Amino acid sequence: DVKVTQSSRYLVKRTGEKVFLECVQDMDHENMFWYRQDPGLGLRLIYFSYDVKMKEKGDIPEGYSVSREKKERFSLILESASTNQTSMYLCASSWGETQYFGPGTRLLVL
Amino acid sequence: TQLLEQSPQFLSIQEGENLTVYCNSSSVFSSLQWYRQEPGEGPVLLVTVVTGGEVKKLKRLTFQFGDARKDSSLHITAAQPGDTGLYLCAGGSGGGADGLTFGKGTHLIIQP
Repeated sequence: DVKVTQSSRYLVKRTGEKVFLECVQDMDHENMFWYRQDPGLGLRLIYFSYDVKMKEKGDIPEGYSVSREKKERFSLILESASTNQTSMYLCASSWGETQYFGPGTRLLVL
Repeated sequence: TQLLEQSPQFLSIQEGENLTVYCNSSSVFSSLQWYRQEPGEGPVLLVTVVTGGEVKKLKRLTFQFGDARKDSSLHITAAQPGDTGLYLCAGGSGGGADGLTFGKGTHLIIQP
């Protein structure tokens, strides 16, 4: 069975903190993605990776960075969290064009 | 830029009724996925369609990919409260590495 896990379901951080969101998949997928989901805006792609150590900017990469040191793990980093980064963060991995999502991390930045 | 328009945005119906959700674009997609998302959870894949005109059935759910691969529909027969959720369509443009184009979703509520 397909499995994508995210390190935290809920997270509360202060403005200016560095935040790490971890995502792990056990399906040996090449491609991994980070999205944020906000009411009325849908899912927006932040970054994606098609191989270890490779990364590509999505539609809204500003304020974020990523790391992919191992095939199964894709990390999203908020260098200095801001209140406008309060959101639901979703990680996905894909085989072909079908993406499989983790349960999401709801991040609140105060 | 590819866009996927979903309609309706919100739908509230009684248990036992039928409904159809639409996903439309001016762009051609190589595949189309439908997901259901419950509050506080990640989207869960329902189906992938890849051939123009393709119809797939999943119990009471019927998915259709348009002949020109620009649109899709999801039809639910005899809706149940367990069908409540956010339904998302997403189109692929080939390869998989570039990600999907997502619609903004249809919020469906089935009242007992």
